[in-house]
Amino acid sequence: NAGVMQNPRHLVRRRGQEARLRCSPMKGHSHVYWYRQLPEEGLKFMVYLQKENIIDESGMPKERFSAEFPKEGPSILRIQQVVRGDSAAYFCASSPPGVAGAHEQFFGPGTRLTVL
Amino acid sequence: GEDVEQSLFLSVREGDSSVINCTYTDSSSTYLYWYKQEPGAGLQLLTYIFSNMDMKQDQRLTVLLNKKDKHLSLRIADTQTGDSAIYFCAESMAGGTSYGKLTFGQGTILTVHP
Repeated sequence: NAGVMQNPRHLVRRRGQEARLRCSPMKGHSHVYWYRQLPEEGLKFMVYLQKENIIDESGMPKERFSAEFPKEGPSILRIQQVVRGDSAAYFCASSPPGVAGAHEQFFGPGTRLTVL
Repeated sequence: GEDVEQSLFLSVREGDSSVINCTYTDSSSTYLYWYKQEPGAGLQLLTYIFSNMDMKQDQRLTVLLNKKDKHLSLRIADTQTGDSAIYFCAESMAGGTSYGKLTFGQGTILTVHP
């Protein structure tokens, strides 16, 4: 059973470009979470999604950031018109269905975004 | 609001016990977690405890919770060089839509010397 997969592992973008980060949850997991880790800081929650539904996006910046988890395919975190301050490691986690499952979040290896 | 604080650094000798401390502010029913992050890797869930428990033990790991002081600790017995990593304390609410949202501390860098 493969773990949570994220791609790309490293992404370099120039200011103003778009960044698309992908996350494939573990098999059987229907909940996905995105976190951002700035250099030398802890992880900050961004968004919590179920299939075709955003449950909690209280940590998402109001502009330029969006996330989706379609019925088919991976979850996508999209950052439009990137700025240098978006440079960070973006981690995805997944968990099984149900409230109890949310307490066992399995993390992917992360995507390290560098904005030049 | 929720806030989680940790000491930033801990250095121990191989074979000794390590104790990593964490304090949190949310007094509502909550789960508390310990994650381990090795360089360049994602987070690995080590253990978690519900706030109505005082202690949880799992092999070399012991979690102690002082609910009155909102203090959580992780004790690693017989610390090995492979335990060198960043350890994150995190909390979440037990109900509502916030149960999936983990709030992390800034991490404790554990260095184990031979």
